[in-house]
Amino acid sequence: AQKITQTQPGMFVQEKEAVTLDCTYDTSDPSYGLFWYKQPSSGEMIFLIYQGSYDQQNATEGRYSLNFQKARKSANLVISASQLGDSAMYFCAMREAWGYQKVTFGIGTKLQVIP
Amino acid sequence: NAGVTQTPKFQVLKTGQSMTLQCAQDMNHEYMSWYRQDPGMGLRLIHYSVGAGITDQGEVPNGYNVSRSTTEDFPLRLLSAAPSQTSVYFCASSYSNAGGVSFSYGYTFGSGTRLTVV
Repeated sequence: AQKITQTQPGMFVQEKEAVTLDCTYDTSDPSYGLFWYKQPSSGEMIFLIYQGSYDQQNATEGRYSLNFQKARKSANLVISASQLGDSAMYFCAMREAWGYQKVTFGIGTKLQVIP
Repeated sequence: NAGVTQTPKFQVLKTGQSMTLQCAQDMNHEYMSWYRQDPGMGLRLIHYSVGAGITDQGEVPNGYNVSRSTTEDFPLRLLSAAPSQTSVYFCASSYSNAGGVSFSYGYTFGSGTRLTVV
């Protein structure tokens, strides 16, 4: 069974600084997708970034990048130049490629950006 | 607006009552799922469906029932509500390429239903 581990329950970062949110995963499937979602205090789930298991380059979306280390089974989210609006819960998720393609989420990391 | 619509947004139930959480999407997504979100536990999969007429259990299915008679709708039924079912419920949908590569398809989420069982 696939598993996602986020070991940082809470993180603080100074405004304009970069921050890394950790995510490790476990799967026996050679094909999978990794996702990060943001959940602000308003409660909605917002897609941030995607990385496929066969992608050679790390994914980037604006200020978000995904530090993908396949051998270590890690998919850390890097937020550059943090803004106050980045304060939120962040969830790492993995989608299996075969079978019923279920999506498994980690428990999340709460990020607080300090002015 | 296109997307996933969940109703109601808030609900209070008494123990033993039943209710249905509604979820509808207009993006022609084959794949739909229900999650519950509890503090410190992330999002846990309740039930999912890969197309009309096909559903399966997720991680925490007990006390919940689903059916999928159309591509658009995927209601979640609480059969006899218990305080342990107090949670925030999310419906999510995505494209799915059954038998092929689907792991690049991310979810579109509904806005959530905050359920309290007293």
